[in-house]
Amino acid sequence: QKEVEQDPGPLSVPEGAIVSLNCTYSNSAFQYFMWYRQYSRKGPELLMYTYSSGNKEDGRFTAQVDKSSKYISLFIRDSQPSDSATYLCAMSKTGFQKLVFGTGTRLLVSP
Amino acid sequence: EAGVAQSPRYKIIEKRQSVAFWCNPISGHATLYWYQQILGQGPKLLIQFQNNGVVDDSQLPKDRFSAERLKGVDSTLKIQPAKLEDSAVYLCASSLAGASEKLFFGSGTQLSVL
Repeated sequence: QKEVEQDPGPLSVPEGAIVSLNCTYSNSAFQYFMWYRQYSRKGPELLMYTYSSGNKEDGRFTAQVDKSSKYISLFIRDSQPSDSATYLCAMSKTGFQKLVFGTGTRLLVSP
Repeated sequence: EAGVAQSPRYKIIEKRQSVAFWCNPISGHATLYWYQQILGQGPKLLIQFQNNGVVDDSQLPKDRFSAERLKGVDSTLKIQPAKLEDSAVYLCASSLAGASEKLFFGSGTQLSVL
């Protein structure tokens, strides 16, 4: 069993839709949870990060962590074609070091 | 501010050949990481440097992979000899010192081993 599971997609939605991206994990020691966006032929770019459980909002993006269920989510409101990318969840016990990534979910937002 | 620079952008080699990748981190970033991203998978940490010292190389296949960071700035990652399963994107990332510092990734080197 992988430490971090993520549906690879692709997930296709029309412009303006609300998108929900999810990851599950098995290691209860993870305390830091991140979402990265990766455009084709580019490196991952940090979108959001949270510590422990709870919600965090930044513009159109909301990250949720439910440690009791070992489940994290990223919601994108009013999705735009420019949001089309692969979204990677990542987590660790100790901040940004020793990150364990999910496989990534490919998102396609059509105009 | 300049980002993390990597070269070459693409590399095609035959199995059993050797290859080297180069990374120049963001100026002032003490911590440097090499990740391997196989197609359809998330990045996997290969090695982490703090200045010119190795912090973590537990997932580096040391029989064929080596990395160095002379003078605590630029870094090179070498594979010798390459295997088919080494085909991947090799990503370099850097950050300021400390576990709470965010990583900044380069665009990677795409390696194809034939």
